[in-house]
Amino acid sequence: AQSVAQPEDQVNVAEGNPLTVKCTYSVSGNPYLFWYVQYPNRGLQFLLKYITGDNLVKGSYGFEAEFNKSQTSFHLKKPSALVSDSALYFCAVRSRGGGSYIPTFGRGTSLIVHP
Amino acid sequence: DTGVSQNPRHKITKRGQNVTFRCDPISEHNRLYWYRQTLGQGPEFLTYFQNEAQLEKSRLLSDRFSAERPKGSFSTLEIQRTEQGDSAMYLCASSRPGTGGKETQYFGPGTRLLVL
Repeated sequence: AQSVAQPEDQVNVAEGNPLTVKCTYSVSGNPYLFWYVQYPNRGLQFLLKYITGDNLVKGSYGFEAEFNKSQTSFHLKKPSALVSDSALYFCAVRSRGGGSYIPTFGRGTSLIVHP
Repeated sequence: DTGVSQNPRHKITKRGQNVTFRCDPISEHNRLYWYRQTLGQGPEFLTYFQNEAQLEKSRLLSDRFSAERPKGSFSTLEIQRTEQGDSAMYLCASSRPGTGGKETQYFGPGTRLLVL
């Protein structure tokens, strides 16, 4: 079975400060990892994914995420937060080991960026 | 690339009525997924199509739920005899062909269902 934990329901950060949204996963074998963002009453928008190779993945809107196999983590980061980054962020994982193509999503973390 | 579209965006119905939602995927995407999202939760998988074939169904998909993708393009999700517990956002996603699992799913805006 595969699972994702987003340990923080909410993250608060001041505009201009760096932000981190945490994600840890559990999966058989090696993972594919994804981050999505959701604005109010909207669907999910893809930010970035880790497939293989470089552990630091760069994505849309200045976001990046670092894959850490030993800690089974894939934290989302941004050097300087914007008020417009305020949204709900979802981490997702899928095992690379075959079988279902379906990713498992975390419960989401609400990011609030204060002016 | 016009994106994934879903209709209607909002639906209010009375308990016991049937509802049908439509999803139009990105045109070259052969995989289509339905998810349900309730408040405070991430998307929960319901079912998945590759072309017109329904390849996976979650145990969340009770016998009141049925999904079709008759020509391998758009898909419909029908809920019969709706219950208040069906109130949720129903999300559709699509992905292009590729080696399994690493392809990116692109989501539509969702259909928000409220059962009174």
